[in-house]
Amino acid sequence: NAGVTQTPKFQVLKTGQSMTLQCAQDMNHEYMSWYRQDPGMGLRLIHYSVGAGITDQGEVPNGYNVSRSTTEDFPLRLLSAAPSQTSVYFCASSYSLPGGYGTSTDTQYFGPGTRLTVL
Amino acid sequence: GESVGLHLPTLSVQEGDNSIINCAYSNSASDYFIWYKQESGKGPQFIIDIRSNMDKRQGQRVTVLLNKTVKHLSLQIAATQPGDSAVYFCAENLSGGGADGLTFGKGTHLIIQP
Repeated sequence: NAGVTQTPKFQVLKTGQSMTLQCAQDMNHEYMSWYRQDPGMGLRLIHYSVGAGITDQGEVPNGYNVSRSTTEDFPLRLLSAAPSQTSVYFCASSYSLPGGYGTSTDTQYFGPGTRLTVL
Repeated sequence: GESVGLHLPTLSVQEGDNSIINCAYSNSASDYFIWYKQESGKGPQFIIDIRSNMDKRQGQRVTVLLNKTVKHLSLQIAATQPGDSAVYFCAENLSGGGADGLTFGKGTHLIIQP
């Protein structure tokens, strides 16, 4: 299994540009999520999905859209990039809700990250 | 331990010594806790987890201790190795596994000195 993959690894955008960060997993996980990580801070949840066709907002959803048309893919769209969106973005997946059933299947697996700079 | 601000707390230990990383969590209703390790340029990696009905859980070279009275979580790493150098995050989740995911601490940078 490739696990959780993210593309691109690095991206530079100009203010106002749009782009899509790709995330895919081949573990048949239902739960997927997007986090951003800023210097000196922990990860903050942007959006999450509990299954194909179902998405919801996390802690910091403004400026981002997501969709979940398949179990495998969970792209994150920046509608109009702003310098405040400069960050490292991580996609994660798990078989079930984190901590939901107290088994190892709750474990979230993270992708390698996308480093985004908005000028 | 965890703190507010742009600079991560740093813990420096000698190779071979034991290390203890601390975390104060915020929500008394949280009942599931995880420790993640993040190496430079990589995504977080699961280390060990613990539920609120336990005080201690051991893994390979790692032990997590939970003190619910003071909302404190710690990660003990035995006989530290150079490969243990990383940023360590604690994360918490609400009872039943809230769909809105985990709440992460800000991390502690562990440095292993030869």
